[in-house]
Amino acid sequence: KAGVTQTPRYLIKTRGQQVTLSCSPISGHRSVSWYQQTPGQGLQFLFEYFSETQRNKGNFPGRFSGRQFSNSRSEMNVSTLELGDSALYLCASSLDGTVGNTIYFGEGSWLTVV
Amino acid sequence: GENVEQHPSTLSVQEGDSAVIKCTYSDSASNYFPWYKQELGKRPQLIIDIRSNVGEKKDQRIAVTLNKTAKHFSLHITETQPEDSAVYFCAASDNFNKFYFGSGTKLNVKP
Repeated sequence: KAGVTQTPRYLIKTRGQQVTLSCSPISGHRSVSWYQQTPGQGLQFLFEYFSETQRNKGNFPGRFSGRQFSNSRSEMNVSTLELGDSALYLCASSLDGTVGNTIYFGEGSWLTVV
Repeated sequence: GENVEQHPSTLSVQEGDSAVIKCTYSDSASNYFPWYKQELGKRPQLIIDIRSNVGEKKDQRIAVTLNKTAKHFSLHITETQPEDSAVYFCAASDNFNKFYFGSGTKLNVKP
């Protein structure tokens, strides 16, 4: 069974640009969540999607957005990039997001903003 | 919102010794507490979890205990091995994959 797949793995962007990251969950998983990981702030929840609907959102500015498609694949977008957005962005999937469902992380997308 | 504190930030033990990592949480609504291991450059991987209706759970050399009254939970690793060296994160959740993570503990097991 293929794991959670994230693309691209590495990317460098300039301040002010925007970026789109993609996540393909494990087959059969319908819940996808996104996390930002930085050395200073640790792992922080961005948002969670289920059946194309955002069910939960973390405390990030509106520049961070996401969506989920009918095949459960998800994308997140960051507009007007800032230096502080440099981070590892992790996607995680689970069956339906019910508390207690094991979540499986992807390898992440390393974003560097210069 | 929920606040999860994790201690210590670094832990160095001799191979074969035990390691204990502690976390506290603030929101009594949290009812699911997983622990993740993240090796350098790799994804976090679930190693053990516990639900709020259980006080302790064991899986071979790893155990987790939960004290709901005091709002703290701990990870215990016995007979540590060099391959246990990694960063460990605790987390708490009360709904749909919205996890609050601790700041991580870097465990170093010296051969």
